Amino acid sequence: DAGVTQSPTHLIKTRGQHVTLRCSPISGHKSVSWYQQVLGQGPQFIFQYYEKEERGRGNFPDRFSARQFPNYSSELNVNALLLGDSALYLCASSNQGLSGWNTEAFFGQGTRLTVV
Amino acid sequence: AQSVTQPDIHITVSEGASLELRCNYSYGATPYLFWYVQSPGQGLQLLLKYFSGDTLVQGIKGFEAEFKRSQSSFNLRKPSVHWSDAAEYFCAVGAPTGGSYIPTFGRGTSLIVHP
Repeated sequence: DAGVTQSPTHLIKTRGQHVTLRCSPISGHKSVSWYQQVLGQGPQFIFQYYEKEERGRGNFPDRFSARQFPNYSSELNVNALLLGDSALYLCASSNQGLSGWNTEAFFGQGTRLTVV
Repeated sequence: AQSVTQPDIHITVSEGASLELRCNYSYGATPYLFWYVQSPGQGLQLLLKYFSGDTLVQGIKGFEAEFKRSQSSFNLRKPSVHWSDAAEYFCAVGAPTGGSYIPTFGRGTSLIVHP
């Protein structure tokens, strides 16, 4: 079985541009979460989606948005890019239901975004 | 709000030596605690987790961790380190939110293994 896949693996953008990152969860997983990992820091939670609905949001500006599609894949969008948005963006999927939130999250390898 | 402190940025051990990585958390209720490992250029892999019950938790790759409520700690241990254990290790605390949990990660500890 394929694990969590993210695309692209690397990306270079200019300040002010917009970027879309994509994530395909493990087959059968209905929950997708997004994290930002700045160099030298731990991952920071951005969004969680379950069954196409937003279930959690971290402390990020409105420039960050996400959505989940009927096939449970997800996109993370960032508008008006800043130099500080340069980071590794990680996607994680899990098969947690509304009450089964103690299930393991599986992470993709991430998308390395560089803003110049 | 919950928080996690990993006081050691880098830890250097010799292959075959024992290892302990420290993690302290702050959370108002019974925490859900995790240890993840990240190899260079890779995503995170779950080593072990604590939700309730036995405070000594066994994980994959020979790792274990002990939950100590009185010390607000969840230290990761391994009796004999292998060169392949060199990686970044993250402790995380999870707070339940609307039927799910949102993990807060520490800044990580980089493990260096000398031959």
